[in-house]
Amino acid sequence: SAVISQKPSRDICQRGTSLTIQCQVDSQVTMMFWYRQQPGQSLTLIATANQGSEATYESGFVIDKFPISRPNLTFSTLTVSNMSPEDSSIYLCSVEKAAMNTEAFFGQGTRLTVV
Amino acid sequence: GEDVEQSLFLSVREGDSSVINCTYTDSSSTYLYWYKQEPGAGLQLLTYIFSNMDMKQDQRLTVLLNKKDKHLSLRIADTQTGDSAIYFCAERGLGNTGKLIFGQGTTLQVKP
Repeated sequence: SAVISQKPSRDICQRGTSLTIQCQVDSQVTMMFWYRQQPGQSLTLIATANQGSEATYESGFVIDKFPISRPNLTFSTLTVSNMSPEDSSIYLCSVEKAAMNTEAFFGQGTRLTVV
Repeated sequence: GEDVEQSLFLSVREGDSSVINCTYTDSSSTYLYWYKQEPGAGLQLLTYIFSNMDMKQDQRLTVLLNKKDKHLSLRIADTQTGDSAIYFCAERGLGNTGKLIFGQGTTLQVKP
């Protein structure tokens, strides 16, 4: 398995501001992903964080709104930019040890409330 | 498109068995997963099954897969109050590294 730490675990932010969420893994992993879980909803993949290159975004998500960094094999950040109340969600980091690995592990999530 | 459906709520008595059901539409699914989410926590991977299997057992958990009907179930034997949580079914399509399609989650309530 992998131990995944996310910071912050929760935050309340003013609309129009930005928040950067960090994801730290205890071992090197090939694949890192960011998901969103809106209140009472399921999880939706935002993007794949690629080491050393631009993230790959899913339909409906754009880099200007959700810039992602991945400087190495154990760390990634997701920024939620110019926040609005509709961005209130849980944001989860997920990792797989290797490409096409069967097991996907999740961090504890960052609970974001935008007021 | 790909879709995963689950019933939203299940209530059982402590000691009974729980069966949580899931249906999916992607016939190219390679792996199917069950995750548990406790209040305020992230997702815990409980178990997963490869699409060419029809059953997998792991202690109190039994996963059944009917690929023809695209139906997946999770049976929890001797359900305990600590099993109260939201259970998510997820599927991985062919070639979809990392991209899991999740159901909306089933809230399991275990009554003492």
